[in-house]
Amino acid sequence: GAGVSQSPSNKVTEKGKDVELRCDPISGHTALYWYRQSLGQGLEFLIYFQGNSAPDKSGLPSDRFSAERTGGSVSTLTIQRTQQEDSAVYLCASSLVPGAPIGFYNEQFFGPGTRLTVL
Amino acid sequence: AQTVTQSQPEMSVQEAETVTLSCTYDTSESDYYLFWYKQPPSRQMILVIRQEAYKQQNATENRFSVNFQKAAKSFSLKISDSQLGDAAMYFCAYQPGQGGSEKLVFGKGTKLTVNP
Repeated sequence: GAGVSQSPSNKVTEKGKDVELRCDPISGHTALYWYRQSLGQGLEFLIYFQGNSAPDKSGLPSDRFSAERTGGSVSTLTIQRTQQEDSAVYLCASSLVPGAPIGFYNEQFFGPGTRLTVL
Repeated sequence: AQTVTQSQPEMSVQEAETVTLSCTYDTSESDYYLFWYKQPPSRQMILVIRQEAYKQQNATENRFSVNFQKAAKSFSLKISDSQLGDAAMYFCAYQPGQGGSEKLVFGKGTKLTVNP
């Protein structure tokens, strides 16, 4: 149907708690990306999925962060033992086909993000 | 590693006037894409315009156009006839053209205010 959806829209949690953020990509999109936008910063890449596998996890800031994708569709980003510096907007994007040749543009479509606040 | 720099944290423009947002980037690759994204308060990232590095012609989309200077690694966005709805954060982004994960590398953004 529609675009990329994310839930929850906003999440407030206490320091030390675990949180799960969900992303529903556009149907049929094989590639899925997670980005983090901290206050006053641009978007920072976290992880990329091709299908259910994650060939690039280079942006995950620590081992408290993990993500999975099931059925080549929904993805969940989990942050364990949250810290105040984890407060940010977490954005998800999906695209149809990654690794496309020159001349074929592969647009990433973004969801509205989840604003995470760690108290 | 590729980097994207936006040197103007904030800009303002009068309605109906023209404004230019600056962006520079650093890469050793020859094939890549450049983008300008708009992020209104709703947080939804909206693609404004893209430029393929192999194309010499500057991209245009209605009131939006770019000045792409490949040798200088510069990619500015010009907004003509500014409208109140153009007020938003604007992000410049880079993407490798082939292979890899094609993750986007973003600048820190420019907040554009449009004054009536």
